[in-house]
Amino acid sequence: SQQGEEDPQALSIQEGENATMNCSYKTSINNLQWYRQNSGRGLVHLILIRSNEREKHSGRLRVTLDTSKKSSSLLITASRAADTASYFCATAMNSGYSTLTFGKGTMLLVSP
Amino acid sequence: GAGVSQSPRYKVAKRGQDVALRCDPISGHVSLFWYQQALGQGPEFLTYFQNEAQLDKSGLPSDRFFAERPEGSVSTLKIQRTQQEDSAVYLCASSLTTGTMYEQYFGPGTRLTVT
Repeated sequence: SQQGEEDPQALSIQEGENATMNCSYKTSINNLQWYRQNSGRGLVHLILIRSNEREKHSGRLRVTLDTSKKSSSLLITASRAADTASYFCATAMNSGYSTLTFGKGTMLLVSP
Repeated sequence: GAGVSQSPRYKVAKRGQDVALRCDPISGHVSLFWYQQALGQGPEFLTYFQNEAQLDKSGLPSDRFFAERPEGSVSTLKIQRTQQEDSAVYLCASSLTTGTMYEQYFGPGTRLTVT
């Protein structure tokens, strides 16, 4: 079963614009991770945010986490055509062994 | 360095055939995961190994699915008597050690089509 739900399902923007995608989940978590998947490089880990963190940055990526609303957002600034991919959030309930539960993903298309 | 590799990349099986999917994790990685990804969906967990021990197989959809990692490195996912609903991409991931704080590195997947 999939815990996370990304929103929107699909997003189409122009190069240089910002892209925001959201993830909602159902149960308490230890951490939330974002992954990117495209045909060229497969599924790649982008960033991890712990449940006691509210915001994290990595290059052009900014992730926020609101545990009271059980939601997270991923912002990609100054998007590039190479950012075209599907983006998934994945939640982990524990820091020790825990399965990752992925959402259904947001398909992002960045046009030149 | 070498990443996670999977073979074959594509597999077509007639319904009822048995298939074996191979995963070569990154050398030295303790944790190994198998996921199933249906078209348009996110990956769904199948099973987890810590070295050679299969610690969690709660995601395996039926007893037709079997996974092993006998020497704690290469893993094989076997599906017996394949059904059409088994058509999906099967992803393998490895992680340096245990714990969800460690990044999972994914292979390119095996796309299984059951006709």
